[in-house]
Amino acid sequence: DAKTTQPPSMDCAEGRAANLPCNHSTISGNEYVYWYRQIHSQGPQYIIHGLKNNETNEMASLIITEDRKSSTLILPHATLRDTAVYYCIVRGISSGSARQLTFGSGTQLTVLP
Amino acid sequence: KAGVTQTPRYLIKTRGQQVTLSCSPISGHRSVSWYQQTPGQGLQFLFEYFSETQRNKGNFPGRFSGRQFSNSRSEMNVSTLELGDSALYLCASSPGQAMNTEAFFGQGTRLTVV
Repeated sequence: DAKTTQPPSMDCAEGRAANLPCNHSTISGNEYVYWYRQIHSQGPQYIIHGLKNNETNEMASLIITEDRKSSTLILPHATLRDTAVYYCIVRGISSGSARQLTFGSGTQLTVLP
Repeated sequence: KAGVTQTPRYLIKTRGQQVTLSCSPISGHRSVSWYQQTPGQGLQFLFEYFSETQRNKGNFPGRFSGRQFSNSRSEMNVSTLELGDSALYLCASSPGQAMNTEAFFGQGTRLTVV
């Protein structure tokens, strides 16, 4: 299985960029990197996903290293409402997770006023 | 466009009873997955349905079952409830089964077994 490693917690000042790292050194070529977040007691919220290229949407940017062994989720201007647990997930056939999301422990991001 | 709807939002049951939870996916979505979230085990995959057929199943006992209807709505059932079944049960819907399609989650059903 392609496992992910994330720091258990991070702080970020409101208005600054939040950069959340994820290590997935055993990722295979056909596996995607997904990011979700979960605000306390709510359902996980999809943020972004990518395969090889960097991706950007209205919520965040996803930077994947050239060797694909790690990635960074960037929230460009963090607000207090971005305080949540952020999950980095590898999804694909090689890890047996083509048809499901395998959640790890995630990173608790706290945005400070 | 309406999101994923789960009912009920909260439920209290007694040990030994059974429970049925409902999930209405986003209109047009044909894949529905169920997850269990507990403080100790985190978010764990239960099963996935597509076109009324269970396509994938997680490592849960047979007391956990589900089904999907022709309109893509899904139900999950837990029989002979145990205290350890107390959890947040989450449903996610996707347009299809491709690995590069995002899944959208409902707000969950909070089940408490007493």
